[in-house]
Amino acid sequence: AQSVAQPEDQVNVAEGNPLTVKCTYSVSGNPYLFWYVQYPNRGLQFLLKYITGDNLVKGSYGFEAEFNKSQTSFHLKKPSALVSDSALYFCAVYNFNKFYFGSGTKLNVKP
Amino acid sequence: DTGVSQDPRHKITKRGQNVTFRCDPISEHNRLYWYRQTLGQGPEFLTYFQNEAQLEKSRLLSDRFSAERPKGSFSTLEIQRTEQGDSAMYLCASSLLQAMQETQYFGPGTRLLVL
Repeated sequence: AQSVAQPEDQVNVAEGNPLTVKCTYSVSGNPYLFWYVQYPNRGLQFLLKYITGDNLVKGSYGFEAEFNKSQTSFHLKKPSALVSDSALYFCAVYNFNKFYFGSGTKLNVKP
Repeated sequence: DTGVSQDPRHKITKRGQNVTFRCDPISEHNRLYWYRQTLGQGPEFLTYFQNEAQLEKSRLLSDRFSAERPKGSFSTLEIQRTEQGDSAMYLCASSLLQAMQETQYFGPGTRLLVL
C-alpha cells in the first residue's frame, strides 16, 4: 500500500530562521514525490517535485526538498523563513497513476 | 487566467438536495481529478478522467456521487441526496500525462455546506 506520513501537525519557526517540514513515504517501486502549499480557503499550489536525479530539488519561493532513499524521506526546507510562508503544506507521492497526500503540516512563521 | 477554475466557490444546501459542481481544467491537460478535503486533512481521491474516460473511482465513494467529463474538457461532479457528512471542500486538479509523469495543478475548490 502507498502512504505518506507528515509526523508534525504544526511547525513553529521565527522569521529569518531555517525551516524544515518533514515527510516520509511508503511505496512500492520508485516514487515521484511532490510538495504543495495551501493558503486558507484556497486550492493547493505546486511547490516542487522529485522524479529522478539530484537528491536536492529546488522549487518555488525559495523552497527546496531533499530526497533520501534510505530513510524514505522527502523533507521540505527553506534557509530563511518569511511570515508569508505561513500556510498548510502537503507532501504527496505519485505511484501507479495516483497521488497520495499526507495529512498536512501547518507552518507558523512568527515575526 | 489559464489556471484551473471551479464553480461555484461556495455552496450551501439543505440535506436531501442535489448539487452539481463544475471544473474547467487547464486547456491542454488530458487528466482531470476530483478530491474531497475536510478540515485538517489532506485531499482524498474521489475519481479521475483521462480525456473523457473515467478511469478510476474511489471505493469509498458513495453511489450518490457521479462525475462526468463529456468532451474531455470541463467536468461536473454531482452529489445526489446530500447528507451533512458531505460537507467538505471539493477540489479539482488537472495534469498533462507525459512520459508516465504528471504534475497536478489545483483549482481553488468548492466549499460545500449541507445543513
